[in-house]
Amino acid sequence: GENVEQHPSTLSVQEGDSAVIKCTYSDSASNYFPWYKQELGKRPQLIIDIRSNVGEKKDQRIAVTLNKTAKHFSLHITETQPEDSAVYFCAATDGGSQGNLIFGKGTKLSVKP
Amino acid sequence: EPEVTQTPSHQVTQMGQEVILRCVPISNHLYFYWYRQILGQKVEFLVSFYNNEISEKSEIFDDQFSVERPDGSNFTLKIRSTKLEDSAMYFCASSERRGGRAGELFFGEGSRLTVL
Repeated sequence: GENVEQHPSTLSVQEGDSAVIKCTYSDSASNYFPWYKQELGKRPQLIIDIRSNVGEKKDQRIAVTLNKTAKHFSLHITETQPEDSAVYFCAATDGGSQGNLIFGKGTKLSVKP
Repeated sequence: EPEVTQTPSHQVTQMGQEVILRCVPISNHLYFYWYRQILGQKVEFLVSFYNNEISEKSEIFDDQFSVERPDGSNFTLKIRSTKLEDSAMYFCASSERRGGRAGELFFGEGSRLTVL
């Protein structure tokens, strides 16, 4: 089955700097890669996703890149703000018939004002 | 905006007791899921449900767990005989289509289960 590795587990940046979180996946059949943001005590919420037919997607300060050959994808947050502080999870479909999401272990991002 | 709703928000139970967690998925969604998150850890897939039957389940979802859609709107997770290690946040989720196809997963707020 699918295995998703995520790095780093914690990331601390100054406000205004960029943050990059990286994930790798194992199942070459995976075709959908969402990123979720989870604030303390809250539900995970989708912030951006990318499908296997594109290499990059951008939404304002957030971008995601995908390298299918290397089986890795990354989240890029530019001009970070304190409200970006949260745990970010990457996920990938398991490639099986149901396409269930398998999550990485999460990255705790702290943005210092 | 439509939301997935879950009850209870927090349940405390004694080890060995049965627990039922309830979810109301978004009304036009067809695929339903339960995930769990042990405190400080990642979100783990438990089970997916489609067309009134389990589509897929993880190794975590053993014989102590069951799911049901009793009335066409609720989607329940039952744990027959809770263990200490079942303590976690349980998230229900639903999607219009399968995760791999245009299928954004919408999560509920979660039900925190504490087993004493």
